[in-house]
Amino acid sequence: NAGVTQTPKFQVLKTGQSMTLQCAQDMNHEYMSWYRQDPGMGLRLIHYSVGAGITDQGEVPNGYNVSRSTTEDFPLRLLSAAPSQTSVYFCASSFSLAGGLGTQYFGPGTRLTVL
Amino acid sequence: DQQVKQNSPSLSVQEGRISILNCDYTNSMFDYFLWYKKYPAEGPTFLISISSIKDKNEDGRFTVFLNKSAKHLSLHIVPSQPGDSAVYFCAASVGTNAGKSTFGDGTTLTVKP
Repeated sequence: NAGVTQTPKFQVLKTGQSMTLQCAQDMNHEYMSWYRQDPGMGLRLIHYSVGAGITDQGEVPNGYNVSRSTTEDFPLRLLSAAPSQTSVYFCASSFSLAGGLGTQYFGPGTRLTVL
Repeated sequence: DQQVKQNSPSLSVQEGRISILNCDYTNSMFDYFLWYKKYPAEGPTFLISISSIKDKNEDGRFTVFLNKSAKHLSLHIVPSQPGDSAVYFCAASVGTNAGKSTFGDGTTLTVKP
């Protein structure tokens, strides 16, 4: 099991450029989420998905798009990068089962800098 | 308005002693709480969780206590070890939909040998 994988690990963009952060999981989890972590802060939810074809917005969705065409993949698209999107991005996945089994598994993160 | 707060940005304890990390929440709809541990340049890893139907959950050296009336939870690590040095995040969700968790800002724990 590779768990949750994210690519790239590091990325530098210029303002206005677009890019896609990739996330994949091999645990057959229904739920997948994208978070960003700014220095000294906790993780803030950008978008999440409860299954293939179903996505919803989190706390800070502006400037980001997602889609979920398969259970395994959940890419995050930056439409027009801005310096305020400089952050570390984490992808996570989890089962949707009750009984306390909904804990999330996180990828190693993508460190994005927008100049 | 921050719904999950960890008011201590940092905590330093001696090896072998108890570490107590605190977390407060404001949303009474939260009924599932988790603690994650994060090392530098890695993603968070799940540590322990508690449902609102319980007031205590124990896993080895880690115990989480929940006080629903005070909207407060704490993580106890006994005994603390240098390898426990990391950032600890408290998170809360409605139901067990951990995929939509709200996180605190984290507490950096340093365990001194």
